[in-house]
Amino acid sequence: NAGVTQTPKFQVLKTGQSMTLQCAQDMNHNSMYWYRQDPGMGLRLIYYSASEGTTDKGEVPNGYNVSRLNKREFSLRLESAAPSQTSVYFCASSETSGTKGGPQYFGPGTRLLVL
Amino acid sequence: AQSVTQLGSHVSVSEGALVLLRCNYSSSVPPYLFWYVQYPNQGLQLLLKYTSAATLVKGINGFEAEFKKSETSFHLTKPSAHMSDAAEYFCAVSDRSQRCTSYGKLTFGQGTILTVHP
Repeated sequence: NAGVTQTPKFQVLKTGQSMTLQCAQDMNHNSMYWYRQDPGMGLRLIYYSASEGTTDKGEVPNGYNVSRLNKREFSLRLESAAPSQTSVYFCASSETSGTKGGPQYFGPGTRLLVL
Repeated sequence: AQSVTQLGSHVSVSEGALVLLRCNYSSSVPPYLFWYVQYPNQGLQLLLKYTSAATLVKGINGFEAEFKKSETSFHLTKPSAHMSDAAEYFCAVSDRSQRCTSYGKLTFGQGTILTVHP
């Protein structure tokens, strides 16, 4: 049981390049999330998917797109990377049902540097 | 809108001393509350959660937190700090009043870095 996995672990991009961050979970959770973490700002939600087939914007969605490929996988795409997107990106998943929500479980993160 | 405030971005204690990390929340209804720990270059790990059962919640590694509705607080404590407790700690809130499709979203505090001195 690997939990939440993310690839790649590290990436360096040039301004304007594109890339996709991959995330997969094996806990059969229905909800998945993408966050970015910047010093002194905690974690900020970029996008989330409450269930397979649905996605919604979070607090800081500009410059990103997501795809909920199936129940296990939730990818984050940067179409044209900017230096402001230099950050550590975390994927998370949780089990939510009706009015009950479980805790979120996090992947190890992807460290992205945009030059 | 819900929010979380962690008082003190840095807390320093001696090994064996009491650890107290403060968290206050604002929410329209009593929320679900969580504490996470992040060790250097790692993801976030769940320490404990409050989901409206007992107000005193015990977590992993000897940590516990008490939900106080009157004070809108959920402070994290540990009686005796260990060197391995040095990490960043995040308090998070999930508002139970959210519509179903957005349920489960967490709002995080800014984090508190705990340093433990020998």
